[in-house]
Amino acid sequence: GAVVSQHPSRVICKSGTSVKIECRSLDFQATTMFWYRQFPKQSLMLMATSNEGSKATYEQGVEKDKFLINHASLTLSTLTVTSAHPEDSSFYICSARPLLYGYTFGSGTRLTVV
Amino acid sequence: AQTVTQSQPEMSVQEAETVTLSCTYDTSENNYYLFWYKQPPSRQMILVIRQEAYKQQNATENRFSVNFQKAAKSFSLKISDSQLGDTAMYFCAFMKLGDSSYKLIFGSGTRLLVRP
Repeated sequence: GAVVSQHPSRVICKSGTSVKIECRSLDFQATTMFWYRQFPKQSLMLMATSNEGSKATYEQGVEKDKFLINHASLTLSTLTVTSAHPEDSSFYICSARPLLYGYTFGSGTRLTVV
Repeated sequence: AQTVTQSQPEMSVQEAETVTLSCTYDTSENNYYLFWYKQPPSRQMILVIRQEAYKQQNATENRFSVNFQKAAKSFSLKISDSQLGDTAMYFCAFMKLGDSSYKLIFGSGTRLLVRP
């Protein structure tokens, strides 16, 4: 149980276009989901906390207009990278908290902007 | 603000031997959780072990155990009988209790290579 599904696993897009990444909790309801960014050989950097039915909470330094987060239901959160540029190329990971003190992570999305 | 420090960027161990990964953290909080996560080449994050700060007993999960020293703010991970499948990045993480956001704060990671 407690599976988080993330799609797509890989995406290549042209500079200036937008890309949407989905994160779904398959067998539990997630009022809160988290979005991370990971550069090669580095740690996970929390970008934002996604709250069902309300606005996301962004970490300092993360551009809200660049990384749009929508959490419209208890099982789905989406991250849209708008007007993507090569520097947005990275590995993006979502997670949810099915247990009070436990986290489950999606399998990640490798975004390449060309 | 809380910080998590992993001072060993890379570690190497012979198969079947024991290795210890270090983690220290800085917090003024008294109630929190600590975690070790494993990220293999697939990049899927996998929970290895969890420790509640209020518990004095060190957590153990099969070949994985921790040495939790609350006063010293140290949380090391011991892997016994290392296996090739243990090769991965290992991240130490901190979560403050009572914080409605329940954010995880990660260390910089330790890359572990298990040699055959």
